[in-house]
Order: sequence, then structure tokens, then C-alpha cells
Amino acid sequence: GNSVTQMEGPVTLSEEAFLTINCTYTATGYPSLFWYVQYPGEGLQLLLKATKADDKGSNKGFEATYRKETTSFHLEKGSVQVSDSAVYFCALPASDSWGKLQFGAGTQVVVTP
Amino acid sequence: NAGVTQTPKFQVLKTGQSMTLQCAQDMNHNSMYWYRQDPGMGLRLIYYSASEGTTDKGEVPNGYNVSRLNKREFSLRLESAAPSQTSVYFCASSPLAEGYNEQFFGPGTRLTVL
Repeated sequence: GNSVTQMEGPVTLSEEAFLTINCTYTATGYPSLFWYVQYPGEGLQLLLKATKADDKGSNKGFEATYRKETTSFHLEKGSVQVSDSAVYFCALPASDSWGKLQFGAGTQVVVTP
Repeated sequence: NAGVTQTPKFQVLKTGQSMTLQCAQDMNHNSMYWYRQDPGMGLRLIYYSASEGTTDKGEVPNGYNVSRLNKREFSLRLESAAPSQTSVYFCASSPLAEGYNEQFFGPGTRLTVL
């Protein structure tokens, strides 16, 4: 079935550093791909999405490109802030129902001043 | 719009007690979901409702029941709480229309079972 694998955390960075969180997927066809973010003590929020191959999703300075050749959807930000400290989840629709999402394990990012 | 709301925000139960977690959405979404989040386990789907009047089991349904009361509301009931149900519970909703299946999450209920 569909699944995602994302890099383990925590990832610790200094403010203004470049952030990459790797996400690779296994899927039938080319489903939509998502990145969610969870700030401390809150629920998950949709950060960005891409609905087809070669699409680039972007939001709040974050970007991710849907690459079917490498089955990847890596999340990047050029200059992180302390406020970007959160847990980031990669997700895609489940193979048995496109109405369900399959989430990765999450990657904690800690940005220090 | 309030989005997805959950009540209560925190709850402490004793083993064997029952309680209902409430969830409501004001986005006119078709589908609603209940997840639990545990350290090191990520998000696990408990139950979901693809549309009003239907419910289906997810990955970890044992010990839980759900009710899709109407299009807005989806409740999760613990009939006899156990310490293993200590977790953070999230409700989510989705429009579940063609090409538009992202989910919107509530703030969570933090449950401790003693």
C-alpha cells in the first residue's frame, strides 16, 4: 500500500540556516502529496501540497517539489526562524481509500537563536 | 469560521470510567476523522466517517466507538477507559471532493487515564 518515509529527527539548526527534510513515498499512480506542520501544543496544519508530478508546493517560505523519478517530496526552506520549530509530517492518500491520509512518522525541527 | 473545534481540551479519567470526546466543524466538509497521537507512534487513525450516516474502522478502533451525529459533528466514545488510551486525540475533517482531499485538524484533546 501507499506509504511515506521521512528522515528521523530531531533536526537542530541555527537561525537563518537552510532546512531540508527528506520524504520519499511509495504509491500506486501519482497521488497528491502533502506536508503538515504541528507547532507545540497544537493540531496539525496543512503547510503545502502538490497534486501532480513536477508540481511545486510553497507556503511561508517553504517549498517542496513532487519528483516522480526519485519518488520524493523533500521540504526545504532557505532561512529558518525560531518560530519554525515544530514537527513536520509528510503525507499522501492511503491506497485503500483516497479519503484517508497516510502520515509519515514526523520530523522534529528545533531552531536555536 | 472556527474550523474544527474539540472539547474538552484536557481530561483525566480513572480506569473504567467512560467519556465522550466532541468534535464539530463549520466548513461543510463531508468527511471526518479521529486520530490518536502517541510519542514515537505518529498519527494513527481510529475511526472515520466518509459522509454523514457512515462510519468505518481505522487502524486502531478497539476500545472506541463513534457517532456521526450530523454533517457537523463526530464524537468519539471511550466506554471503559484504560491506561493504554492515554494519548492526544485529534479530530479532522475534509471536503473529500475530487482532487481536494486534504484534512483540517482540531487543536486536540489531551487525555490521561490513571
